[in-house]
Amino acid sequence: DQQVKQNSPSLSVQEGRISILNCDYTNSMFDYFLWYKKYPAEGPTFLISISSIKDKNEDGRFTVFLNKSAKHLSLHIVPSQPGDSAVYFCAPYNFNKFYFGSGTKLNVKP
Amino acid sequence: SQTIHQWPATLVQPVGSPLSLECTVEGTSNPNLYWYRQAAGRGLQLLFYSVGIGQISSEVPQNLSASRPQDRQFILSSKKLLLSDSGFYLCAWSVISNYGYTFGSGTRLTVV
Repeated sequence: DQQVKQNSPSLSVQEGRISILNCDYTNSMFDYFLWYKKYPAEGPTFLISISSIKDKNEDGRFTVFLNKSAKHLSLHIVPSQPGDSAVYFCAPYNFNKFYFGSGTKLNVKP
Repeated sequence: SQTIHQWPATLVQPVGSPLSLECTVEGTSNPNLYWYRQAAGRGLQLLFYSVGIGQISSEVPQNLSASRPQDRQFILSSKKLLLSDSGFYLCAWSVISNYGYTFGSGTRLTVV
């Protein structure tokens, strides 16, 4: 969906280092944002979320940052593990629907 | 517990043939139901969503249709498949929207 852009189709990171996945959006009405993780031939699974009233949410190795003025959010994974290799989608929410970005394929090298 | 079932897992269909993909949800009532498609190299595209029996909203004009004959059943159909209909189709449900979706395991459709 053009309202949500993940401009990096792929990212390669060494195990133990930080992975940073970025997402930009255009609709200022979005007030809730989720990240999903997807393995090949499987449905996406929920990873982490953030409300627009916050600028950071942390869950274990995963942290999501939201910059509302820039309409930008990012997902940080630290330390990255080979099992994190997957496609990551950001999904802002508006009016009963989530809008998905095109995804970033993360490859964590051992 | 709530579960979502989607079948078949893979499907190979010739161009011009009909399509019917089924999705059912267990353990919840009056869910919002969604059909998404992920084409090769593309993101997840919302095709249809339904907030109740017989209520279908279409997000993009296309060769597909959806129906919700029962509260927890969502069907994706086509009368005549096109090559461009190939992709990975995902059904999803949500009850409290802000908690996000729960996705089915998906159907890999290849139109030949």
